[in-house]
Amino acid sequence: AQKVTQAQTEISVVEKEDVTLDCVYETRDTTYYLFWYKQPPSGELVFLIRRNSFDEQNEISGRYSWNFQKSTSSFNFTITASQVVDSAVYFCALRNGGSQGNLIFGKGTKLSVKP
Amino acid sequence: EAGVTQSPTHLIKTRGQQATLRCSPISGHTSVYWYQQALGLGLQFLLWYDEGEERNRGNFPPRFSGRQFPNYSSELNVNALELEDSALYLCASSPAGLAGPGTDTQYFGPGTRLTVL
Repeated sequence: AQKVTQAQTEISVVEKEDVTLDCVYETRDTTYYLFWYKQPPSGELVFLIRRNSFDEQNEISGRYSWNFQKSTSSFNFTITASQVVDSAVYFCALRNGGSQGNLIFGKGTKLSVKP
Repeated sequence: EAGVTQSPTHLIKTRGQQATLRCSPISGHTSVYWYQQALGLGLQFLLWYDEGEERNRGNFPPRFSGRQFPNYSSELNVNALELEDSALYLCASSPAGLAGPGTDTQYFGPGTRLTVL
């Protein structure tokens, strides 16, 4: 079965704190892709990052970093020095390597960053 | 470059009616995907169209249908509306992808909020 679990339903931090959003996935495919999307209150899903199963390099983009560990089936997302504009719902998603096309989403983590 | 666009932004219907939602993909993208985001149910895959054909379908009844036009835009039709169809409907598009259709990153539009009374 394919599944994505985001155990943290809601997280609240104060501005400038670091915060890590957890994502654990399940899949039987050896080739798969992992994604993070951000959904601000406006509703649009904004693409943040894509990771292929054969590429375990961690990635940093400004204040954002991602830690992909196949051994624990996790793809965690860290925001350093959080800002109020980071407040949103963050979704982790999985797509298997076949051509089914669909993304399997976690339930999302609502992040609130307070000034 | 313009992103994925969807219309209308909001749609209010009554039970039993039909709803039509529209989506225009990013220029050059050939695949269009539809997802439903209902309260408490998360984001669920509905349909995938590529080059005018339905390629995959999620676990939804047949009254959810759609099509893709030659210009790659797409329509989602929901017949015999039920109260539980109230949700945000998100459309996404992707290019063909080096590994074939449906293998590239999906970019989402702002959604259509459907309310069924």
